[in-house]
Amino acid sequence: AAGVIQSPRHLIKEKRETATLKCYPIPRHDTVYWYQQGPGQDPQFLISFYEKMQSDKGSIPDRFSAQQFSDYHSELNMSSLELGDSALYFCASTSTGQGEYEQYFGPGTRLTVT
Amino acid sequence: QKEVEQDPGPLSVPEGAIVSLNCTYSNSAFQYFMWYRQYSRKGPELLMYTYSSGNKEDGRFTAQVDKSSKYISLFIRDSQPSDSATYLCAMKQGGSEKLVFGKGTKLTVNP
Repeated sequence: AAGVIQSPRHLIKEKRETATLKCYPIPRHDTVYWYQQGPGQDPQFLISFYEKMQSDKGSIPDRFSAQQFSDYHSELNMSSLELGDSALYFCASTSTGQGEYEQYFGPGTRLTVT
Repeated sequence: QKEVEQDPGPLSVPEGAIVSLNCTYSNSAFQYFMWYRQYSRKGPELLMYTYSSGNKEDGRFTAQVDKSSKYISLFIRDSQPSDSATYLCAMKQGGSEKLVFGKGTKLTVNP
């Protein structure tokens, strides 16, 4: 079965640079979520989109922004990167329009800020 | 105090043992309960999903939710070395998209 696709899988950036992470949800899923997982930590919710509109917002820094496009893929844009932004970034998807609430996670993007 | 508490372990059991993993929570608004398995450096894999109270069984896995006690459990029967991973409980309240995770329990099943 098709899963959530994330790219790139690994990314190395320097402080103050910009990064863009991409997420392609499971086909026919309409909702996308972004989570950040620091070393040894549980995933922390950043933001979500349903049908291309922001549906909920968590602890996402103002330096980060995200959007969902007409083909339902999503991008997380991160500017003015800081060392503390080094983490695993997960995207998850579900089909809210079908009354589903289980979130299926992608393999993650490992961001390292040096 | 975190909304969701989970003993991080580590938990080490012999192959074939029954494993019991648990989480407690403080937010009575949580209605959706999930268990994820996460291998090192991989994404969380959804194992079980339960709405409100009750039991759910899927193969060797059984999930239980006791909303009156704010306590959820995951049981793994006939545990296998391939079950060795970190198990995360997660929960969500109605009207919110955000999943709140426990810290995860690291499980090792020894052959």
